[in-house]
Amino acid sequence: QVTLRESGPALVKPTQTLTLTCTFSGFSLNTTDMCLSWVRQPPGKALEWLARIDWDDDKWYSTSLKTRLTISKDTSKNQVVLTMTNMDPMDTATYYCARVLRRVTIFGVSIKHDHWGQGTLVTVSS
Amino acid sequence: DIQVTQSPSTLSASVGDRVTITCRASQTVNMWLAWYQQKPGKAPKLLIYDASSLESGVPSRFSGSGSETEFTLTINSLRPDDFATYYCQQYYTYPFTFGQGTKLEIK
Repeated sequence: QVTLRESGPALVKPTQTLTLTCTFSGFSLNTTDMCLSWVRQPPGKALEWLARIDWDDDKWYSTSLKTRLTISKDTSKNQVVLTMTNMDPMDTATYYCARVLRRVTIFGVSIKHDHWGQGTLVTVSS
Repeated sequence: DIQVTQSPSTLSASVGDRVTITCRASQTVNMWLAWYQQKPGKAPKLLIYDASSLESGVPSRFSGSGSETEFTLTINSLRPDDFATYYCQQYYTYPFTFGQGTKLEIK
């Protein structure tokens, strides 16, 4: 059974650095083609993809946020950590982690965000 | 970045109706598009991937079609549980981008 759970502070102050942890079970990030993404959603707004880390430690970031984001993994703990620097009230959102299955096909690379955590609400306020 | 635009933003329908939601990409994404359902306070749920592949456990009344820049999600015979917000997402190139969402409301 695949499960994911996000954890981190519910409240951060502007300019602070946010550190979120995704703790997962039921799969391993040592497995080829296994990946994990972070996605966020401001209250009442659309989803926004933030970052992804792959089994081989490849990392991918949102264009607009890449200077502020760092994603890393600890496979021994089954955890992925996302840090976001210089937090702003506009970063107030629910942050989700999701398992990503990658599959190479004759047509290209298929991606499935097939299991998601419940999300954690982060409010940025002084 | 590839822009993804959904239409309509809001859709009113009745139980038993057939509805279609459209997703347009600003450039080709080949077949690399997924659809999600999200209910208030819950995480998104994967419905369709690779434009038309039904995720395991998702009812067959959900179907996806399209390629390149235009895609549709069709829900046949709407059930009360289907009233939610739907998002498309392209994963042809980084950054992966989502549409702005379509809220499906009960008429």
